Amino acid sequence: QKEVEQDPGPLSVPEGAIVSLNCTYSNSAFQYFMWYRQYSRKGPELLMYTYSSGNKEDGRFTAQVDKSSKYISLFIRDSQPSDSATYLCAMSSTGNQFYFGTGTSLTVIP
Amino acid sequence: DVKVTQSSRYLVKRTGEKVFLECVQDMDHENMFWYRQDPGLGLRLIYFSYDVKMKEKGDIPEGYSVSREKKERFSLILESASTNQTSMYLCASSLYTGPPYEQYFGPGTRLTVT
Repeated sequence: QKEVEQDPGPLSVPEGAIVSLNCTYSNSAFQYFMWYRQYSRKGPELLMYTYSSGNKEDGRFTAQVDKSSKYISLFIRDSQPSDSATYLCAMSSTGNQFYFGTGTSLTVIP
Repeated sequence: DVKVTQSSRYLVKRTGEKVFLECVQDMDHENMFWYRQDPGLGLRLIYFSYDVKMKEKGDIPEGYSVSREKKERFSLILESASTNQTSMYLCASSLYTGPPYEQYFGPGTRLTVT
């Protein structure tokens, strides 16, 4: 069983839609949770960071962590064509080694 | 802005060749990482280093070695390249001290071994 599972998509939505991206994990020791965004032919960039359970909001982006269910989500409101990218979840118990999901490819259609 | 640079964007090598991938960061970060990224498998950690001359194996170190002689530079070495090492290689760096432990990635090197 993989440490982190993520639906690879691809996901295609119209501009303005709400997007929900999800990951599940098996290691209950994970406490640092991140979402990275990766544009084509670029390296990933940190989008959201959450420690332990709870919600975090940053503009159109909301990250949720449910440790009891071992489930994390990223919501994108009012999606824009510029949000078209691959989104990777990542998590760690210590902060040294992170385990990444396979990434979900998102296309926002104008 | 943190900048992580990798020596090549695209590289084609033959089976059995020794391959060097170089990574340089300019923000005095203690931690540096080498990943490979493959479709359906995501990012997998090959090696990481938390200090000069220190290294730790990641999840898939077989067939690879690393070198960190200076804080800003972390090299990945494929001693004898094989076709199953054809992949996208990503280097990253991060600060050692405390969360969020953000990793800054380079643009990647797409390596093809023929």
